[in-house]
Amino acid sequence: NAGVTQTPKFQVLKTGQSMTLQCAQDMNHEYMSWYRQDPGMGLRLIHYSVGAGITDQGEVPNGYNVSRSTTEDFPLRLLSAAPSQTSVYFCASWSGRDLYNEQFFGPGTRLTVL
Amino acid sequence: AQSVAQPEDQVNVAEGNPLTVKCTYSVSGNPYLFWYVQYPNRGLQFLLKYITGDNLVKGSYGFEAEFNKSQTSFHLKKPSALVSDSALYFCAVSQWGNTPLVFGKGTRLSVIA
Repeated sequence: NAGVTQTPKFQVLKTGQSMTLQCAQDMNHEYMSWYRQDPGMGLRLIHYSVGAGITDQGEVPNGYNVSRSTTEDFPLRLLSAAPSQTSVYFCASWSGRDLYNEQFFGPGTRLTVL
Repeated sequence: AQSVAQPEDQVNVAEGNPLTVKCTYSVSGNPYLFWYVQYPNRGLQFLLKYITGDNLVKGSYGFEAEFNKSQTSFHLKKPSALVSDSALYFCAVSQWGNTPLVFGKGTRLSVIA
């Protein structure tokens, strides 16, 4: 199993550009989420999904869109990038079949917005 | 609302000495607590979790954590630190056991040879 994969690893955008961060998992996990990591702030939840077709907002959703058309994929869209979105983005997935399962994280995407 | 506090930004310890990384939590209902580790330029790796039962939880790489309900704490411990333990450590809580994790701000552990 590849686990949780994220592409790209690095990205530089100009203010106002759009892009999609890709996340895929091959563990048949129902739940997936996106976090951003900023120095001194830990990881903050952007959006999450409890299954295909179902998404919800986290702590910092503004400026980001998500959709979940398949169990495997959970892309994160930046419609108009801003310098405040410079961060490292992590995708995670976990099983809902049993409670209290640990969440598996991808390697991250480092995004810089100029 | 649930929250996690890691009061120390940085912990320094000599190799071979015991280490403790502190975590306190706030959650309504039963807490489901986790520790993760992040090595430079890597994703987060699961170390251990507390669900119920014994207050001392054993995890990966020789780490353990002690749950204390009265002090609402879940401190990470290791009897003998290694230089390779140097990393960023995150405490996290899940309110219902299957909801997204809420993380603390992280504690950077530096083990000095």
